[in-house]
Amino acid sequence: QSALTQPPSASGSPGQSVTISCTGTSSDVGGYNYVSWYQQHPGKAPKLMIYEVTKRPSGVPDRFSGSKSDNTASLTVSGLQAEDEADYYCSSYAGSNNLVFGGGTRLTVL
Amino acid sequence: QVQLEESGGGVVQPGRSLRLSCAASGFTFSSYGMHWVRQAPDKGLEWVAVIWYDGSNEYYADSVKGRFTISRDKSRNTLYLQMNSLRAEDTAVYFCAKDRLRLTISPGIYGMDVWGQGTTVTVSS
Repeated sequence: QSALTQPPSASGSPGQSVTISCTGTSSDVGGYNYVSWYQQHPGKAPKLMIYEVTKRPSGVPDRFSGSKSDNTASLTVSGLQAEDEADYYCSSYAGSNNLVFGGGTRLTVL
Repeated sequence: QVQLEESGGGVVQPGRSLRLSCAASGFTFSSYGMHWVRQAPDKGLEWVAVIWYDGSNEYYADSVKGRFTISRDKSRNTLYLQMNSLRAEDTAVYFCAKDRLRLTISPGIYGMDVWGQGTTVTVSS
């Protein structure tokens, strides 16, 4: 159950787009279309932003989008806004009823 | 509204036990799988355990297997985490979370859409 690999930080100016990667293996990210992304503001609970690689829950702006290629999943935030500044975590099914999270990426809006 | 509220955290000595609770409201508790996820100080999220919507199965992260037990009481709409043989590395904020889809047997693969605010567990002598 090794954690998925995310860059520790990412940044962009308001209005720009930024992409956060989440790298695993063929046993987790590459093996299943069950990647989720969560947003967490400091001191708050995580919030589901993307599920099943590309799908957005009701209420999540369409500025947030997900994708996957081989063993790497990505979250793209378009039209960056100040309130997007937060920590972002990916998660993936890892087989045998296990779920694994990434180490998290701190997104800074410059 | 849909809500989860954890309780039971505190300071405990290594080797001792603690039981966390998570009170659910605003949804049909018995129709959803439930999870515990923890976050050590200034660290990332770590999935801890899941229990099926009907309580028929439970699964654990290797780091807590054999020491932690997840359970649920549908009459009280409450999720529990019994933590035994606690270690310093179990120090974390513990969140409970709800499966997004009802009546599924999955360890959060469809996403966890409602989270509590967390309860803090500190293991220290």
